Amino acid sequence: GDSVTQMEGPVTLSEEAFLTINCTYTATGYPSLFWYVQYPGEGLQLLLKATKADDKGSNKGFEATYRKETTSFHLEKGSVQVSDSAVYFCALIKAAGNKLTFGGGTRVLVKP
Amino acid sequence: NAGVMQNPRHLVRRRGQEARLRCSPMKGHSHVYWYRQLPEEGLKFMVYLQKENIIDESGMPKERFSAEFPKEGPSILRIQQVVRGDSAAYFCASSPRQGEWYGYTFGSGTRLTVV
Repeated sequence: GDSVTQMEGPVTLSEEAFLTINCTYTATGYPSLFWYVQYPGEGLQLLLKATKADDKGSNKGFEATYRKETTSFHLEKGSVQVSDSAVYFCALIKAAGNKLTFGGGTRVLVKP
Repeated sequence: NAGVMQNPRHLVRRRGQEARLRCSPMKGHSHVYWYRQLPEEGLKFMVYLQKENIIDESGMPKERFSAEFPKEGPSILRIQQVVRGDSAAYFCASSPRQGEWYGYTFGSGTRLTVV
C-alpha cells in the first residue's frame, strides 16, 4: 500500500538556520504531495502542495519540489524563525483519491 | 466564513463510557473525513462520509466505532465502551466534492482522554 516516510525528530535549530525535512513516498501512479503544519494544540494547516513531477510548492518561505525519480518531497526553509516551531507532516493523495496518507511527523523546535 | 468546526475540543471519559465527537463541515462542503492521531504518531484515515452515506470505512476499527453524517446536523464519530488505547486526537476534514482534495480543510480536533 501507499506510505510516506519522513525523518524523525525532534529537529532543534537556532533562529535563522537552514531547515530541511526529508520525505519519501511509496505509491502507485502519480500522487499529489503535501506538507501540513501543526502548531501546538491546533489542527493541521496546509503549508504547500505539488501535483506533478518537478512541481515546486512554496509558501511562507518554505519550499518543496516533487521529485519522481527519487520519490521525494523534501521541505526546506532558508532562515527559520521561532514561530516556525511546530510539527510538520508530509502526506500524499492518489489521483481521484479521497484519503490522505501521512508520514509520522517531524517536530521542529527553533530556539532564539 | 467559518471553517470546519469540531466539538468538544477536549473530552475526558472513563473506561467503558461512550464518546461522541462532532464535526460541522465548512459551508458548502458535503464530504467529511475522520482521522485519528495517536500520541507521537501521524494521522491515520478512519472513515469518509457523504450526507447519509458511508463511502469508505476501511480505517475504522471493527468494533465499538461508528460514524454518521445525517441529512441535517453535524457528522458524529461515536466510540462505545472506550478503552485507554482510544486516547488520541480525532480530526475531521471536509471537502466540497469527491476527489477535490485541494479543498480539503481540517478542523482543530477533539482530544479524547480515557481515564
